[in-house]
Amino acid sequence: GENVEQHPSTLSVQEGDSAVIKCTYSDSASNYFPWYKQELGKRPQLIIDIRSNVGEKKDQRIAVTLNKTAKHFSLHITETQPEDSAVYFCAATSGGGADGLTFGKGTHLIIQP
Amino acid sequence: DTAVSQTPKYLVTQMGNDKSIKCEQNLGHDTMYWYKQDSKKFLKIMFSYNNKELIINETVPNRFSPKSPDKAHLNLHINSLELGDSAVYFCASSPTGQGGSGGYTFGSGTRLTVV
Repeated sequence: GENVEQHPSTLSVQEGDSAVIKCTYSDSASNYFPWYKQELGKRPQLIIDIRSNVGEKKDQRIAVTLNKTAKHFSLHITETQPEDSAVYFCAATSGGGADGLTFGKGTHLIIQP
Repeated sequence: DTAVSQTPKYLVTQMGNDKSIKCEQNLGHDTMYWYKQDSKKFLKIMFSYNNKELIINETVPNRFSPKSPDKAHLNLHINSLELGDSAVYFCASSPTGQGGSGGYTFGSGTRLTVV
């Protein structure tokens, strides 16, 4: 089955700086890679996703890059703001049949004022 | 309208009891899931189910069983609850047959505490 590794487990950055979270996956059949943001006591919310036929995707201050050869993908947040503080999860799936998402263990992002 | 709703939001129960968590989605999705989030925040899939097949994560004890009365509902039954079952359980749904098209939507979670 799929295995997703995520680093770092905790990331503290100054407000206004950039944050980068990295994930690797093991199953070459995986073709969909979403990122979720989870605030304390709330559900995971999709913030951006990328499919295997695309190398990079950007949505305002958030971008995701994918390297299929190396089997890794990264989340980039620029101009960080206090409201970006949360736990971020990467995930992967091959999407076939009733496959669910395999998640990384999460990164606690702390934005220092 | 809430796309994926689950009840109850909080559940406190004693060891050995049997309990159920309900989940309903109004997105017209074909596949529903249950995920467990433990105290370290790790999200792990327990089951995925569509109208054709049930896929069970092999690490899930058989005290846990999903029940789907129809395509819009996937309930989770737990027998003989143990302390280690304490966690937040998330229901989710997605469309299928589109090869990783996304659209996974999570419910608001049920915090289960076994005492």
